[in-house]
Amino acid sequence: EAQVTQNPRYLITVTGKKLTVTCSQNMNHEYMSWYRQDPGLGLRQIYYSMNVEVTDKGDVPEGYKVSRKEKRNFPLILESPSPNQTSLYFCASTKMWDFSNEQFFGPGTRLTVL
Amino acid sequence: KQEVTQIPAALSVPEGENLVLNCSFTDSAIYNLQWFRQDPGKGLTSLLLIQSSQREQTSGRLNASLDKSSGRSTLYIAASQPGDSATYLCAVPNYGGSQGNLIFGKGTKLSVKP
Repeated sequence: EAQVTQNPRYLITVTGKKLTVTCSQNMNHEYMSWYRQDPGLGLRQIYYSMNVEVTDKGDVPEGYKVSRKEKRNFPLILESPSPNQTSLYFCASTKMWDFSNEQFFGPGTRLTVL
Repeated sequence: KQEVTQIPAALSVPEGENLVLNCSFTDSAIYNLQWFRQDPGKGLTSLLLIQSSQREQTSGRLNASLDKSSGRSTLYIAASQPGDSATYLCAVPNYGGSQGNLIFGKGTKLSVKP
């Protein structure tokens, strides 16, 4: 089954404790990205990657890092989480250079930073 | 800069009613438009993708239309059911910029009452 998976689905942590949210897709998609969803602000892109070793900032990159060492995986790293990063996070993927294709989203990770 | 607006923000209807959800976008230069469904605290499920060259797409009781020139799309739900209760989001790729970056509306929260 074609899918995007994320782990963990729920995470409660404390300020300053480094964490990683994993994302994996099995569709051989080149393009992967991370979004956060906040009440009243909607979904906003954090970072994206157009292929292995190619990453760039989205609209709200501050406080986040990403890496793309393998085509299928795109982890989101919070080196020093703060309470304003409490949010619902989504990973997404799509085929590159073919933006007529739909984007596929993971199930989401609900992060709470105390 | 592309902006996507969805009206109404919330809608409550009795079961069996036909309904229309609206989505408007400010820049008519789009590749496609995608409609998603989101259940509370859950991920995004892709419902329909309309290419920029298409006027409408249908899937079961759902029909989405696209009028690029006026910057509008509608999602028509026929014979609504309580199971249709969810938030519906529309999104367009960011044309000319980070093209994989989807610009989302803030959604319409639909409640279908038995």
